Amino acid sequence: RKEVEQDPGPFNVPEGATVAFNCTYSNSASQSFFWYRQDCRKEPKLLMSVYSSGNEDGRFTAQLNRASQYISLLIRDSKLSDSATYLCVVNTNAGKSTFGDGTTLTVKP
Amino acid sequence: DAGVTQSPTHLIKTRGQQVTLRCSPKSGHDTVSWYQQALGQGPQFIFQYYEEEERQRGNFPDRFSGHQFPNYSSELNVNALLLGDSALYLCASSLQGRSYGYTFGSGTRLTVV
Repeated sequence: RKEVEQDPGPFNVPEGATVAFNCTYSNSASQSFFWYRQDCRKEPKLLMSVYSSGNEDGRFTAQLNRASQYISLLIRDSKLSDSATYLCVVNTNAGKSTFGDGTTLTVKP
Repeated sequence: DAGVTQSPTHLIKTRGQQVTLRCSPKSGHDTVSWYQQALGQGPQFIFQYYEEEERQRGNFPDRFSGHQFPNYSSELNVNALLLGDSALYLCASSLQGRSYGYTFGSGTRLTVV
């Protein structure tokens, strides 16, 4: 079993749709959590951190459930420019970051 | 403020050869982590360097080695290249003790033929 698991998708949604991605992690000692975005043949870029209380950045909302070892990302009012692969990342206290394999989103007109 | 720079951007090598990839971290960052990303997969952790020492290592063979210099820049060396080493190699920099996520370089695409 992988340390960080994501539904690979692909998710194909129309513009304006709401889409949710899920991620589970196996290391209960994990300390910090992130979502990254990766465009085709580009490097990953930090999208947002994920906090236990949940956090929002514009159309993006991230949530963490430590008891269930589960992280989610919600994108509201999808734009064409949101098309990318979304990577769930989990950090241990030692600072090692473990990436999921990503969920691919395609937003269509 | 310079971001993370990696060189070269592309590289083609023959099986059995050795390769060295280079990374300069973002200004103000002191920790460098290296990742291997195969097509269709997430980045896989190779190792992390801080204070010129390897601090953590992922499940990669000893053919993969690295170095960090006093100016925080880093090298990744791979010996006895295999076809399966073909991948995008990503360098990520961060500040030790801060958990605000990495800044990645644009990567080196290595093809082994």
